[in-house]
Amino acid sequence: TQLLEQSPQFLSIQEGENLTVYCNSSSVFSSLQWYRQEPGEGPVLLVTVVTGGEVKKLKRLTFQFGDARKDSSLHITAAQPGDTGLYLCAGGLGTYKYIFGTGTRLKVLA
Amino acid sequence: NAGVTQTPKFRILKIGQSMTLQCTQDMNHNYMYWYRQDPGMGLKLIYYSVGAGITDKGEVPNGYNVSRSTTEDFPLRLELAAPSQTSVYFCASSYGAVYGTDTQYFGPGTRLTVL
Repeated sequence: TQLLEQSPQFLSIQEGENLTVYCNSSSVFSSLQWYRQEPGEGPVLLVTVVTGGEVKKLKRLTFQFGDARKDSSLHITAAQPGDTGLYLCAGGLGTYKYIFGTGTRLKVLA
Repeated sequence: NAGVTQTPKFRILKIGQSMTLQCTQDMNHNYMYWYRQDPGMGLKLIYYSVGAGITDKGEVPNGYNVSRSTTEDFPLRLELAAPSQTSVYFCASSYGAVYGTDTQYFGPGTRLTVL
């Protein structure tokens, strides 16, 4: 069974602080996606990384795919209350199948 | 475009009852998926479909059935509901880009409780 573990599970920080969320597996993935999910809604895609070592920036969010394509990180700079949510990573297994991580629940306090 | 719509939003079932969760997408996507999300957890793939008439099992298919007679619709059937099926169910669809770069669009979910 392929597993994608995220850490930390929960994170509560003050507005303006920086944070990093990790997504780790022993499996190699064709791509790695990050989603954010708000309460009562479905996940929304933030980014897809496909090349080992790739780094993508989305405003204050920086995503990195590990060189061996087994792990990824999400770094948020100067977190804001609007960043609050459940962050999910998803590893691509070929063309159309994905395995989702266990999730990181982030709360940013004003 | 409405995107991906799911009905109902909430449902309570008794043990042994059956029901169908409806999912419709209006984006002409080939691929459709059903996931379940248990409290505080990630999503687990139940079934997926790569086109009308083609379905396949995901990680946790036991206790569920699907059909895909049209591109737009992908209903999920629960037979003989059990408390272990209490969860939030999400339907998603995607165009089908190569090498895992697809964008999945999710519906708002159906919250199911089995008592």
